[in-house]
Amino acid sequence: DQQVKQNSPSLSVQEGRISILNCDYTNSMFDYFLWYKKYPAEGPTFLISISSIKDKNEDGRFTVFLNKSAKHLSLHIVPSQPGDSAVYFCAAAYSGAGSYQLTFGKGTKLSVIP
Amino acid sequence: GAGVSQTPSNKVTEKGKYVELRCDPISGHTALYWYRQSLGQGPEFLIYFQGTGAADDSGLPNDRFFAVRPEGSVSTLKIQRTERGDSAVYLCASSLAGRWDIQYFGAGTRLSVL
Repeated sequence: DQQVKQNSPSLSVQEGRISILNCDYTNSMFDYFLWYKKYPAEGPTFLISISSIKDKNEDGRFTVFLNKSAKHLSLHIVPSQPGDSAVYFCAAAYSGAGSYQLTFGKGTKLSVIP
Repeated sequence: GAGVSQTPSNKVTEKGKYVELRCDPISGHTALYWYRQSLGQGPEFLIYFQGTGAADDSGLPNDRFFAVRPEGSVSTLKIQRTERGDSAVYLCASSLAGRWDIQYFGAGTRLSVL
């Protein structure tokens, strides 16, 4: 059973507009959430993260929102640029487990159209 | 190099054979992780090393899979009696002690079992 779900396999957005990528999780033990970005033939790269004690974290054009009661998080990219075209993975972790393994969703392929 | 290096980048083998996949982490990173990414899926955790010891091997699918990190740097993932279902991209990541949230990934080894 998927503990981290990204229900949209793909998303197309016009350059300059907002991209919103969504993620849901089922495990209440998760207390740390991350977004990774992946280009073809490369490994995933860390983008932004949020602890469960916060509901928003912002880094430049990227903002992550966390709704703990709904077990939902989203990544907003404003404004979207063609270089943002990649696969975005949502990941979650339970920091108290001492393992630090990340549980990933299946990813959403974002295409930003010039 | 500055990043995580994985060799080989591609490995084709026959069912029943033994394979070794190598990971060279970023210098100074004491934590090392192995993940497996099957087609259309997100990375799936296999094992986590802190230094030379496997701190969490709960993701290894069965006893055909084994990983070592004898000197706390390079790690080797070993798969015995390979099966067609083992075909996937095997990703290695490393992180600084205490910064498990930011894992730096290699480009992966694509394993194809014929």
